[in-house]
Amino acid sequence: DTAVSQTPKYLVTQMGNDKSIKCEQNLGHDTMYWYKQDSKKFLKIMFSYNNKELIINETVPNRFSPKSPDKAHLNLHINSLELGDSAVYFCASSHTGSYYGYTFGSGTRLTVV
Amino acid sequence: DQQVKQNSPSLSVQEGRISILNCDYTNSMFDYFLWYKKYPAEGPTFLISISSIKDKNEDGRFTVFLNKSAKHLSLHIVPSQPGDSAVYFCAASGHGGSQGNLIFGKGTKLSVKP
Repeated sequence: DTAVSQTPKYLVTQMGNDKSIKCEQNLGHDTMYWYKQDSKKFLKIMFSYNNKELIINETVPNRFSPKSPDKAHLNLHINSLELGDSAVYFCASSHTGSYYGYTFGSGTRLTVV
Repeated sequence: DQQVKQNSPSLSVQEGRISILNCDYTNSMFDYFLWYKKYPAEGPTFLISISSIKDKNEDGRFTVFLNKSAKHLSLHIVPSQPGDSAVYFCAASGHGGSQGNLIFGKGTKLSVKP
């Protein structure tokens, strides 16, 4: 029973398309995140979101937008995809104020061609 | 600007010996540090953590050491096992947990040879 699940696992799409990646957690956590791991292997925070606040990393283009229909879901929408968006995207969740880190999903490998 | 640095992209160790993975940070506001382990095609999984009020935390074969004056932490794995082969990420937080988002290093790929 997967704790944090992302779909799809792989996504290949053309430049200019709009795509979404879904994330669901069944841990009862109240904060969810999106991280991007680029070709240089850095894991960089994109967004953190709980039912009170959305915090956006200022380096994230506004073509990226998180959508949270409820506490257990945080989807990532990407408009007008560019080649540089190719990366692995990880969803994660935690309890707000947790000192024990995050639980990550297995990642979505996005390839823009 | 890399606030968390793992300067060794890879490390190879013989089974049974000690593995030492290093991490440096630049932000003195970080007060909580974590190590994550990542296998291919999987997400990172939490391994061990340490608060800035401590200088050592041990969990079985894994020990994390923190040297605040040097802004340096290290992960020791003793004895190393082939199943420990993975990428290890160092992470730091400024306010604890999700109030301060985790900042990750680039990772060190550990290979433990039988």
